[in-house]
Amino acid sequence: EAQVTQNPRYLITVTGKKLTVTCSQNMNHEYMSWYRQDPGLGLRQIYYSMNVEVTDKGDVPEGYKVSRKEKRNFPLILESPSPNQTSLYFCASSLNRGSYGYTFGSGTRLTVV
Amino acid sequence: QKEVEQNSGPLSVPEGAIASLNCTYSDRGSQSFFWYRQYSGKSPELIMFIYSNGDKEDGRFTAQLNKASQYVSLLIRDSQPSDSATYLCAVNLDKLVFGAGTILRVKS
Repeated sequence: EAQVTQNPRYLITVTGKKLTVTCSQNMNHEYMSWYRQDPGLGLRQIYYSMNVEVTDKGDVPEGYKVSRKEKRNFPLILESPSPNQTSLYFCASSLNRGSYGYTFGSGTRLTVV
Repeated sequence: QKEVEQNSGPLSVPEGAIASLNCTYSDRGSQSFFWYRQYSGKSPELIMFIYSNGDKEDGRFTAQLNKASQYVSLLIRDSQPSDSATYLCAVNLDKLVFGAGTILRVKS
């Protein structure tokens, strides 16, 4: 089944404790992206990647890191999480930047206390 | 002005009625448009997409584009309680840019 797999689904952590949210897709998509979703603000792009070893900032990159060492994987790293990063996070992938729409992962609800 | 705007709602319609959702966009050069449905706490699911060359119908769903006025519509015929969700409009502006979504409530 074609899908984007995110883990974990739920995560509660403390301020400053590094964490990684994993994302993997099995559709051979070149484009991958991370979003956060907050009430009233919609989906905001954090980082995106056009291909292996090619990443770039989205609209809200502060406090986040990403890497793209393999085509299928695009982990999101929070090196020192803060409470304002409490949010619902989605990974998405696509054949290219936008012409075909995105396939989303199931989401990660992160709470930073 | 935001690149993609939607009325947040909620839009309430009775079961069996037509629900009409709208989205305006700022870039006249946009070529493709997408509608996603998102249930509470779940991920967005692509339900319709259209290109700048015309409208599209798929079952109970119709997506329409008005290029002159720069808005996209999603019509849901014979609305069902299971259609109750948030509907996100997305416009391809060299990447997908999403509106904040419209909450639809279908009352039985």
